[in-house]
Amino acid sequence: QQQVKQSPQSLIVQKGGISIINCAYENTAFDYFPWYQQFPGKGPALLIAIRPDVSEKKEGRFTISFNKSAKQFSLHIMDSQPGDSATYFCAASYSGGYQKVTFGTGTKLQVIP
Amino acid sequence: NAGVTQTPKFRVLKTGQSMTLLCAQDMNHEYMYWYRQDPGMGLRLIHYSVGEGTTAKGEVPDGYNVSRLKKQNFLLGLESAAPSQTSVYFCASSSRASNTEAFFGQGTRLTVV
Repeated sequence: QQQVKQSPQSLIVQKGGISIINCAYENTAFDYFPWYQQFPGKGPALLIAIRPDVSEKKEGRFTISFNKSAKQFSLHIMDSQPGDSATYFCAASYSGGYQKVTFGTGTKLQVIP
Repeated sequence: NAGVTQTPKFRVLKTGQSMTLLCAQDMNHEYMYWYRQDPGMGLRLIHYSVGEGTTAKGEVPDGYNVSRLKKQNFLLGLESAAPSQTSVYFCASSSRASNTEAFFGQGTRLTVV
């Protein structure tokens, strides 16, 4: 049972372009939506996160857009750079006695010069 | 500050052999997790722990056992390795207080032949 669906599986963007990765979730109890960035040979690391009480969060070139009614959220990378080439995972979790994060299947982004 | 450290980084096992993966964190986190990462399937939770001496099953626990005898360590055991357990394994930890970011180790690449 996949609770977080992510697309596309891979993405090629030219340097300076906008990269967009989409995710959809099913469980309305989720209240925390992080994005993780993973470089080859490394573990995932938190990139940016949003809670459902806001529709957008921006940190530098990275923006999360959140649509609570549609149960969708997306990551936008503005002015994409070759150094952004990595695998991106969306995720969702809910507050409670413990944290258990459900991850999407990942998007491999390649930014070409 | 080491964060989350996994050992070993690489291992090749023969079918039926056993091994233990060690995860150590120095952030005094209450929660620890073991994930496996397979192409196109994202990160899937194997087992997790909400505190010393407690463990619980995740999404894909079959064929694995875990122990958390000390707060800083979380061990993942394979009693009789199978080729289907060929994967990259990640350990992660998070604070109960923040209930937000999970910190990952660099992964263990395991091949079962």
